[in-house]
Amino acid sequence: QQQVKQSPQSLIVQKGGISIINCAYENTAFDYFPWYQQFPGKGPALLIAIRPDVSEKKEGRFTISFNKSAKQFSLHIMDSQPGDSATYFCAASMVQNFNKFYFGSGTKLNVKP
Amino acid sequence: EAGVTQFPSHSVIEKGQTVTLRCDPISGHDNLYWYRRVMGKEIKFLLHFVKESKQDESGMPNNRFLAERTGGTYSTLKVQPAELEDSGVYFCASSQGSSPAGGFGETQYFGPGTRLLVL
Repeated sequence: QQQVKQSPQSLIVQKGGISIINCAYENTAFDYFPWYQQFPGKGPALLIAIRPDVSEKKEGRFTISFNKSAKQFSLHIMDSQPGDSATYFCAASMVQNFNKFYFGSGTKLNVKP
Repeated sequence: EAGVTQFPSHSVIEKGQTVTLRCDPISGHDNLYWYRRVMGKEIKFLLHFVKESKQDESGMPNNRFLAERTGGTYSTLKVQPAELEDSGVYFCASSQGSSPAGGFGETQYFGPGTRLLVL
């Protein structure tokens, strides 16, 4: 049973547009939610992360929005650029076993010039 | 600083054969993880080493999979005998090994993965 559900599977956005990727979870014990970015031929790399005590975290053009009551979180990429084209994975872990990540199925983002 | 390295980058084997994947973590990282991604699906946790000890192997699919971490340095993941459903990308990751800073999660650094195809 998949613990973190991610959508959409793929996304095409024009340069300068906003990319939005959504994730949902059921386990209320999750308390750390990172997003990983993977370029072709490379491994996933941490992009940004949030804990549920805040509703939003912003780093440059990347923002995580977190809705604890709905058990959903999303990644927003503002002013999307062709260099942002990659596969994005959301993930979650719980304080009792913070090393064990539960990943979503990934979103392949293509930003058109 | 060198990142996490994995060898081989690709492996094509026939059903019933044995394959051994290797991972070299970032120097000084006590924690080492193995994950697997079957095509188009989620990245799934397989197991976690702290130094040379298996901390959590709850994600290992079955006893055809054997992971070792010699002397707390590099790790190997052996699949014997390989089955068709073992095909996928096997990722290794490492982390420094401290408790979450300020209660936050610890960053895991991933290798580029080994693409395994079982025919």
